[in-house]
Amino acid sequence: QKEVEQNSGPLSVPEGAIASLNCTYSDRGSQSFFWYRQYSGKSPELIMFIYSNGDKEDGRFTAQLNKASQYVSLLIRDSQPSDSATYLCAVNGAGGTSYGKLTFGQGTILTVHP
Amino acid sequence: GAGVSQTPSNKVTEKGKYVELRCDPISGHTALYWYRQSLGQGPEFLIYFQGTGAADDSGLPNDRFFAVRPEGSVSTLKIQRTERGDSAVYLCASRDSAGDEQFFGPGTRLTVL
Repeated sequence: QKEVEQNSGPLSVPEGAIASLNCTYSDRGSQSFFWYRQYSGKSPELIMFIYSNGDKEDGRFTAQLNKASQYVSLLIRDSQPSDSATYLCAVNGAGGTSYGKLTFGQGTILTVHP
Repeated sequence: GAGVSQTPSNKVTEKGKYVELRCDPISGHTALYWYRQSLGQGPEFLIYFQGTGAADDSGLPNDRFFAVRPEGSVSTLKIQRTERGDSAVYLCASRDSAGDEQFFGPGTRLTVL
C-alpha cells in the first residue's frame, strides 16, 4: 500500500460544478495535511492545509479531514477553467526527524471544461 | 521578498558526469527540503536540512547523491556518476521555523543522456 494515495484521474468537470478530490494515507501518526496545486511545468503551490478533524473552508475551497478513516479531501466549488491543474495531496511526518518531511500522493489531474 | 530560487533551470548532462544543483531559500527560512519529481508522479522526498545539518536524509536513493548547506542558507545537491534514471525535476522548498507551509522553488529539470 502506498503511503499516500489519491483517487485516480483524470477528473473532468463542467465549469461551475463541484470538483471532489480524495486522498487516503497510511501513517496514523501523521499530523498535518496539505493540498497543493501544480500547473503543467510549474512548481507546486499550496492551496490549503488542515490539522484537525472536520472541514476547513477558504473561498471556493473546502478541505475535509477524517483521521479515524485516514482520509482527506478537497472540494472545489464553482469550478473554473483556471482550476485545471494537477492536485497533490501531501502528508506531514509523524514527528521527530520526520517532521516537515512531506509525503505526496501521485496527484489527480483536474480538467474544468467550459 | 523573493521566493525560493533554483539554478540552473535546466541541466543536460551525459551519463557518468557529475552535476550540482543549487537552491537559494527564502531569507530567514531555517528548514530546507529537496524533492525529486518524475513525470506523472508527485514529488518524492530526498533530504531535509534544519540549519546547517541534515535532519533527515532517508530519501537519498544511494551514495551517489549528497547535499550540503554549509552556512544554513544556500544548499547544493550533488549527484555523482549520473545515470539516465536520475532524470527528473529536482525541487527545493523552504519553510519558516514558525510554520508548516513549504514554499517551492521553480525546480531544476535534469536530463541525463
